[in-house]
Amino acid sequence: NAGVTQTPKFQVLKTGQSMTLQCAQDMNHEYMSWYRQDPGMGLRLIHYSVGAGITDQGEVPNGYNVSRSTTEDFPLRLLSAAPSQTSVYFCASYRVWGAPEAFFGQGTRLTVV
Amino acid sequence: AQSVAQPEDQVNVAEGNPLTVKCTYSVSGNPYLFWYVQYPNRGLQFLLKYITGDNLVKGSYGFEAEFNKSQTSFHLKKPSALVSDSALYFCAVRDPVTGGGNKLTFGTGTQLKVEL
Repeated sequence: NAGVTQTPKFQVLKTGQSMTLQCAQDMNHEYMSWYRQDPGMGLRLIHYSVGAGITDQGEVPNGYNVSRSTTEDFPLRLLSAAPSQTSVYFCASYRVWGAPEAFFGQGTRLTVV
Repeated sequence: AQSVAQPEDQVNVAEGNPLTVKCTYSVSGNPYLFWYVQYPNRGLQFLLKYITGDNLVKGSYGFEAEFNKSQTSFHLKKPSALVSDSALYFCAVRDPVTGGGNKLTFGTGTQLKVEL
C-alpha cells in the first residue's frame, strides 16, 4: 500500500517556466488537496477536490491550476513560475466519511530562481 | 470561516518533564480535530484525532490531547518528554457538516525542542 505518492521530491525552475507536480493515492479517497508550507505560515491550502471532475480554490490559488480526471490522481500545475512560489508543496488525501485523518505525501521542495 | 491558532512558535522542555502544545480553533459546527507531527525534511505524520466521545484522546508515541468545547481548545500533551519528540507540531481542524467544505485547516505550527 503506497499511500500518497508525490513527484518530484526536488525541483529548481527558472522564472517563467512551467511544471506539473504529480500526486497519486491508492486508498480510494474522495478528497485530495494541495498545500504549500512556508516558514511561520503553517500549511496553506492551494486547491482541493472532493471527487473526480470537481475542483475548487483554497486559500492561495493564484498561479496554480489543478484537474482531477480520476479518483487517484491530482496534479498541480504552475503555469509561469515566480520566485514567490518557492516553497515546499504537500499533497494530501482523506475520506469524506469514515476514518477522517489525512495522509500526506513526502513533499516537493521547489525553488524558483 | 474555520481557523486554528497555535499561540506558541516554540516550546522548550527538559527531557522527562511533561509537555503541552496549545491549540485553539474556530468552526461553526462540531469539529474534527487533529494533531500532526513533522520531522525535518519529512512529510506530516498523523498523531491523534478527536471526532466524538471521550474528551481525552490518546495517540501515537505516548501523546494525548484534551478536547475542551467551552474553551474551543485541543491541547497536545505528553507526561514525559523525550529528546526524540523534538519536531514541528501542527494542529488542524475540519468541519464535516456545516460549511467549510470538509477542508482541513492547519495552524502555523509549534516547534517543540526537548533538551537533556
